[in-house]
Amino acid sequence: DGGITQSPKYLFRKEGQNVTLSCEQNLNHDAMYWYRQDPGQGLRLIYYSQIVNDFQKGDIAEGYSVSREKKESFPLTVTSAQKNPTAFYLCASSMATGGQPQHFGDGTRLSIL
Amino acid sequence: GEDVEQSLFLSVREGDSSVINCTYTDSSSTYLYWYKQEPGAGLQLLTYIFSNMDMKQDQRLTVLLNKKDKHLSLRIADTQTGDSAIYFCAEKVTGRRALTFGSGTRLQVQP
Repeated sequence: DGGITQSPKYLFRKEGQNVTLSCEQNLNHDAMYWYRQDPGQGLRLIYYSQIVNDFQKGDIAEGYSVSREKKESFPLTVTSAQKNPTAFYLCASSMATGGQPQHFGDGTRLSIL
Repeated sequence: GEDVEQSLFLSVREGDSSVINCTYTDSSSTYLYWYKQEPGAGLQLLTYIFSNMDMKQDQRLTVLLNKKDKHLSLRIADTQTGDSAIYFCAEKVTGRRALTFGSGTRLQVQP
């Protein structure tokens, strides 16, 4: 079945540590996105990528980094510069053109030890 | 500017209809979406509507769009306990690649 796989489901970070969240899709979608969700709030865009080897900052990119070396993969690194990383992180993908809807993975919950 | 607003909470009885409302401010919206999120899970696309449409029906779901008032609603007929979740409204704005989401409406279905 086609879909988006995020791993791990739960992740714990120590102070000063970088952690990487995985996102893989087999939908042959060109565009991929990372969102952050805090309790009782909507989704805020961290980064997005329209094509391999290209990505753009979203509304809250500070303290995060991404890469897009393969069409299927869009990993997100939460760096030590992100002072409040505890949140639910959602990855999404879509066809690049028009208003094609975004399809989401099941999310990774990141907590601070 | 971009802003999508939803009421926080809705409670209905099983078998009744639910109506979840959303307002948006950007008149250059091209598509509007409804997503469902169950606890601890990602977002599931329910339905979406192009901005030149007034209504879209898909089984128990009916989407109404009033473009003049920038108001979107999702009606769920014969609401079931399995419909209990958070429902997000989102818009796609011309020139912006990502979606803008509302804060979500928590639907509670009482047996």
